[in-house]
Amino acid sequence: DGGITQSPKYLFRKEGQNVTLSCEQNLNHDAMYWYRQDPGQGLRLIYYSQIVNDFQKGDIAEGYSVSREKKESFPLTVTSAQKNPTAFYLCASSRPGTGGEQYFGPGTRLTVT
Amino acid sequence: SQQGEEDPQALSIQEGENATMNCSYKTSINNLQWYRQNSGRGLVHLILIRSNEREKHSGRLRVTLDTSKKSSSLLITASRAADTASYFCATDDDTGFQKLVFGTGTRLLVSP
Repeated sequence: DGGITQSPKYLFRKEGQNVTLSCEQNLNHDAMYWYRQDPGQGLRLIYYSQIVNDFQKGDIAEGYSVSREKKESFPLTVTSAQKNPTAFYLCASSRPGTGGEQYFGPGTRLTVT
Repeated sequence: SQQGEEDPQALSIQEGENATMNCSYKTSINNLQWYRQNSGRGLVHLILIRSNEREKHSGRLRVTLDTSKKSSSLLITASRAADTASYFCATDDDTGFQKLVFGTGTRLLVSP
């Protein structure tokens, strides 16, 4: 089965702790993205990567970090500097020449208390 | 930044009725896409319409695009309970890369 996996589905952390969300794809897509979704809201772009070993900040990158060491993997770390980390996090990927259609993972719901 | 604004924010209809959702955006685009999100799940791509197209169909979906008004509409015909979901429009941000800007979404409830 081809697709994007995110783990875990639910994640609970104490305030002040860093936490890493996993995103893996076997679609052979070059581009990958991380979005944040708050209740009743649309998606906001955190970071994106066009190719391995390269990534750019999105609209709300403060308090987050990423790496892209492999084409298949794009982990997101939510650091203690993120003021309001509780949210639903979505990972996506896309390939060139399709007009930008993105394929999404099932999401990780992070709760920080 | 969120470029798209969907209207209405919420829509409640009966099975068999048609559902129409509208999206407005601010800047020039290469294409506009519609996605569906079931509660607590990831988004699923529904349809893409390019800036030089005015209308596109896919099964029970009909999308229109008016670039002069910077608006699009999604029509779901003969709706089913399974169509209950949130629907988002997304536009590319004209930077030459496939980075999307999503709207705020329309929550559709289809009652049996």
